[in-house]
Amino acid sequence: DAKTTQPPSMDCAEGRAANLPCNHSTISGNEYVYWYRQIHSQGPQYIIHGLKNNETNEMASLIITEDRKSSTLILPHATLRDTAVYYCIVRVAGSNFGNEKLTFGTGTRLTIIP
Amino acid sequence: GAVVSQHPSRVICKSGTSVKIECRSLDFQATTMFWYRQFPKQSLMLMATSNEGSKATYEQGVEKDKFLINHASLTLSTLTVTSAHPEDSSFYICSARSGLWNTGELFFGEGSRLTVL
Repeated sequence: DAKTTQPPSMDCAEGRAANLPCNHSTISGNEYVYWYRQIHSQGPQYIIHGLKNNETNEMASLIITEDRKSSTLILPHATLRDTAVYYCIVRVAGSNFGNEKLTFGTGTRLTIIP
Repeated sequence: GAVVSQHPSRVICKSGTSVKIECRSLDFQATTMFWYRQFPKQSLMLMATSNEGSKATYEQGVEKDKFLINHASLTLSTLTVTSAHPEDSSFYICSARSGLWNTGELFFGEGSRLTVL
């Protein structure tokens, strides 16, 4: 799986949009971009994933550049409960067999400031 | 969404004893489950992949005789830390997926914090 690079930490004011960048310059054509987050002492929580089109769900938006070498996770109106470590992961998906495992990097520690 | 539950959430044991952690998929059948370990202020490290009805596949450096994994049913996988020592103290997290990888999601349990005295 392709390696990702994320800033180690970021701050964001409560109520503002939090934009978390991720570089994945070696991504392959069949690799998706996934975002998970981990709130302190809990298991990771799925946020969103995409291949090449921008995606939006009730939690966040995912913007993937045209060359797919980087992406940005956007939390539109950050709240204190969004304070967590955010992981960007790229991997192959779509198969219904095999052991597709997730490899976690160090992620970005996002702190929402009141 | 799908729910994965772990038990116990916290366990304290004496050095030399064995501890079993359960991971259950509550509303779907999990053909594959993954076990991770996380030390303080570090990322999740994959320990092993278990498939229902077959032997687990361990990552390099993980002792299979120390971390016994059983995935006897489509809704339950267990991790047994045998002869636990203080260095095994960690946060253990399982994840699971159903047979059809059609949503792209892996569902994670709440984690189990093991403290070995």
